Amino acid sequence: EADIYQTPRYLVIGTGKKITLECSQTMGHDKMYWYQQDPGMELHLIHYSYGVNSTEKGDLSSESTVSRIRTEHFPLTLESARPSHTSQYLCASSGLRDADLLFFGPGTRLTVL
Amino acid sequence: GQNIDQPTEMTATEGAIVQINCTYQTSGFNGLFWYQQHAGEAPTFLSYNVLDGLEEKGRFSSFLSRSKGYSYLLLKELQMKDSASYLCALLDSNYQLIWGAGTKLIIKP
Repeated sequence: EADIYQTPRYLVIGTGKKITLECSQTMGHDKMYWYQQDPGMELHLIHYSYGVNSTEKGDLSSESTVSRIRTEHFPLTLESARPSHTSQYLCASSGLRDADLLFFGPGTRLTVL
Repeated sequence: GQNIDQPTEMTATEGAIVQINCTYQTSGFNGLFWYQQHAGEAPTFLSYNVLDGLEEKGRFSSFLSRSKGYSYLLLKELQMKDSASYLCALLDSNYQLIWGAGTKLIIKP
């Protein structure tokens, strides 16, 4: 079954640690996205990719980095976590046509102590 | 600039009808999406409008007026499971999605 996966679902970590949030999709989608969302607030785009070896920064300034070595995989890395990074991180993918709808993963809820 | 406005919260009764409005300002437009997001979960797609008019899909309908910069989501025969946030999102001239903050819909028995 085609789907989009994120691990871990929940993560509690100390300040200064390096973390990688994983995202994989089995739909063969070229476009992938990372959003950050605080409770009751709008989604903020932090990174996106239109295909292998293509990555762009979104609207929200972020200290994270991403890579796209394989079509199905789009990990997000925080080199040094801070309490301000505490949030929900949502990965999404869409087909190549611009108006294709987004499919979201279940999200990773990150808490940095 | 680009801007999306939708009410923060609405309350409705089970079995009733509710209309959630979304107004937007943009220099370029390539469509408008509605997503549903239950608390603690990821958004799921409800509807997409790119032409003026009403799109009906079961109990949910979405309307668009490009000249007025206005859309609404109409939910009929409300069920308790419809309690969620409803996100309006605009596809701009660069084919980037601009998200509203969402409308939290509370359904009462």
